[in-house]
Amino acid sequence: KQEVTQIPAALSVPEGENLVLNCSFTDSAIYNLQWFRQDPGKGLTSLLLIQSSQREQTSGRLNASLDKSSGRSTLYIAASQPGDSATYLCALDRGSTLGRLYFGRGTQLTVWP
Amino acid sequence: DTGVSQDPRHKITKRGQNVTFRCDPISEHNRLYWYRQTLGQGPEFLTYFQNEAQLEKSRLLSDRFSAERPKGSFSTLEIQRTEQGDSAMYLCASRSTRDTEAGEQYFGPGTRLTVT
Repeated sequence: KQEVTQIPAALSVPEGENLVLNCSFTDSAIYNLQWFRQDPGKGLTSLLLIQSSQREQTSGRLNASLDKSSGRSTLYIAASQPGDSATYLCALDRGSTLGRLYFGRGTQLTVWP
Repeated sequence: DTGVSQDPRHKITKRGQNVTFRCDPISEHNRLYWYRQTLGQGPEFLTYFQNEAQLEKSRLLSDRFSAERPKGSFSTLEIQRTEQGDSAMYLCASRSTRDTEAGEQYFGPGTRLTVT
């Protein structure tokens, strides 16, 4: 069974800080990894997808890395803003299971002005 | 293309009643997924369709749950004889197999079910 762990569970930072969210997983046989953002009571918004053959992906102030050998991914957020406040979820696609995603519990981020 | 849509957005029902949710995926996405998310947890997989065929079901999907995708477009998820433990956010996602190298899933806004 694929276990996905996200640390920390919650994070509170002042505006402008650079921060790192961590995701670890037990099975390195993955097809891809997605990072999502979820606002309270809302659905999931895809932020970045890293294919198993890639090491990182960037979008604006976001950078996600993937190290399959160590079973880790990180999401780096530069120059954080209050609008970044949300829960961030990582999810793995193992490929062999037809695309179902295995999610962590998420990191709840609060950025205060 | 307006993305994945779900209806209703919120549903309050009494224990023992039946409820049905609808999901409209991104047009031409042939893969459709249902997930359930409870407070403080990540989404958990329920079931998956490729076109109209239901190819995988989680053990979370008890006999009271049924899902259909009759024409390979929209899907419905029905819960019979609802229980308080069914209270959760029900999320739908779709994906195109034409995007096989990436496999990005796109989620809808979810249906929040409250069973009283």
